[in-house]
Amino acid sequence: KAGVTQTPRYLIKTRGQQVTLSCSPISGHRSVSWYQQTPGQGLQFLFEYFSETQRNKGNFPGRFSGRQFSNSRSEMNVSTLELGDSALYLCASSLAHAMDEQFFGPGTRLTVL
Amino acid sequence: ILNVEQSPQSLHVQEGDSTNFTCSFPSSNFYALHWYRWETAKSPEALFVMTLNGDEKKKGRISATLNTKEGYSYLYIKGSQPEDSATYLCASPSQAGTALIFGKGTTLSVSS
Repeated sequence: KAGVTQTPRYLIKTRGQQVTLSCSPISGHRSVSWYQQTPGQGLQFLFEYFSETQRNKGNFPGRFSGRQFSNSRSEMNVSTLELGDSALYLCASSLAHAMDEQFFGPGTRLTVL
Repeated sequence: ILNVEQSPQSLHVQEGDSTNFTCSFPSSNFYALHWYRWETAKSPEALFVMTLNGDEKKKGRISATLNTKEGYSYLYIKGSQPEDSATYLCASPSQAGTALIFGKGTTLSVSS
């Protein structure tokens, strides 16, 4: 079956702009989590969605938001971009829970100039 | 939010060497412990999901053990090969069980 897909794969934005990233989970997976990876840091948890509801949120400012649609596809939005938002953003899907095996997408590389 | 720690941060071995890494996590309210392998230019891929104290899992030359009472897990690679070069991540769900918290990883480099 098809894996997790993320679009776009690469993105260049300037400070102050906003960006929307998309994630399509594996068919049948209802949980989608988002992570940010920056040099020297591990994967930092952003938020997790299940059945269109945000179940948990990491320690990120309110400029980071997300949503999940009825088909489990998820989007995350970052408003008023800052240089420090430059990172690899990964989404992962699982059947229902963070305790389940996570299946990761290829990521979106965001560069903020 | 809990702290998941991994050591060493990086490791360089010769082909054929056996090696191991450590993942430590708070032992209270344990849910599960995940190991992932992340190769350059690829997505992280699950190696093991472990839930029981004393659990030992194996996949080819890679194995892992779990001690939930003392809060650590070991990942072993027997006879390392260049294709084992990757970053190995461990993760544990938060106390609420709805967020997977990752360690910073151990980067393994295997020279032929």
